[in-house]
Order: sequence, then structure tokens, then C-alpha cells
Amino acid sequence: QKEVEQNSGPLSVPEGAIASLNCTYSDRGSQSFFWYRQYSGKSPELIMFIYSNGDKEDGRFTAQLNKASQYVSLLIRDSQPSDSATYLCAVNLLAGSARQLTFGSGTQLTVLP
Amino acid sequence: DVKVTQSSRYLVKRTGEKVFLECVQDMDHENMFWYRQDPGLGLRLIYFSYDVKMKEKGDIPEGYSVSREKKERFSLILESASTNQTSMYLCASSSNFAGANVLTFGAGSRLTVL
Repeated sequence: QKEVEQNSGPLSVPEGAIASLNCTYSDRGSQSFFWYRQYSGKSPELIMFIYSNGDKEDGRFTAQLNKASQYVSLLIRDSQPSDSATYLCAVNLLAGSARQLTFGSGTQLTVLP
Repeated sequence: DVKVTQSSRYLVKRTGEKVFLECVQDMDHENMFWYRQDPGLGLRLIYFSYDVKMKEKGDIPEGYSVSREKKERFSLILESASTNQTSMYLCASSSNFAGANVLTFGAGSRLTVL
């Protein structure tokens, strides 16, 4: 059983729309949650992290965490073609230990002009 | 900016060869990681090091070893390469001060084993 699940997509949205990327995790004790973006042929880069239930906003990006439902999402408002990439969800069982970071397999997003 | 440099972008090796993948970071990060990335499987941790000469096995250490003799350098070794080790290998580093889970990745090394 995968510990971190993402819909592999591809997810297509028109330019200017809201893209919603979802991630579920199996370990109820998980403490910290991360979204990385990976452009084709490039390495992942961190977009956002969230530790507490609720929403966290950073520009056009909003991370949402619901620990009771074991669910974390990333919303991208006013999607741009430059947002087209694979988005990786990562979950850590222990906030202070990078050893426990587990990645999902990623969701491929395409923003259509 | 933190820079993580991987020595080889593309490598082609034959079954049974010994393979060295080198990774160097220039920001004095304590933690260094080796992942492999395969389609549909995401990133899987091979080995992790939190200090010089210290290493911990990740989720898939079989067939691999690592070396960290200096803080800035973390090497991944395939003692006898096999075809199922054909993959993209990603090195990453992080700082305990800035957040151990905030990884900075290198550009990756695509290894093909024939």
C-alpha cells in the first residue's frame, strides 16, 4: 500500500482557471507536508510546506491540510502555462527528521493557453 | 543560492561495472540524500547522511553503498551495476537550521545499464 497517494493525471486546466491537486497519506501521525514542482527534464523544487490544519497562502498558491481526513491539497489560482509541470506531494512522519520524508508519485498538470 | 552539483548528467554502463555518482553541495548543509526516480514510482530514498561519515539506509538500499568523507560531498556507489538500476538518480541536501525537509536537488544523473 502506497503511503502517499496522488492522482497521476494528467490534469488539464485552461489558462486562468484554478488547478486543484490532491494528496492523501496513510500515516495518521504525519507531521509535515510539502509540495514540490518538477518541470520536465528538471529536478524538483520546493513550492510550499504546511504543518497545521487549514490553509496557507503564498501568492497564487494555497496549500490546504486536513489531518482528520489525512488529506493535503494544492490550489493554483490564475493558472499559467508556465505552471505546467509535475507536482510532487511529500509527507514526513517526524517534523525534524528528513529521513522520514516520503514522496508521492506526482500529478502531471497541463495548463492550456 | 544553494547549489547541488552532480558530476555526470548522463552515464551508460554495462552490467557488472562499478559505478560512482558524485554529488557536491556548497552551502554547508548537514543532510545529504540520494534518491532514484522512476515513472509511476516517484522518488524513493536510497541512502541518507546527516553528518560526515554517517549514513542511514533509505527505503531501497540494496545494491547500493555510499560514502561521505567530507561534509560537502556524498557519493553513491553501485558495486556491480544491473539493468534494474537504470534510472534517474537525484542528489539532494538540506540544512537542519533552515528545515531538514526543505530539500535542494541537483540536476540529476540519468544512468542506463546495458
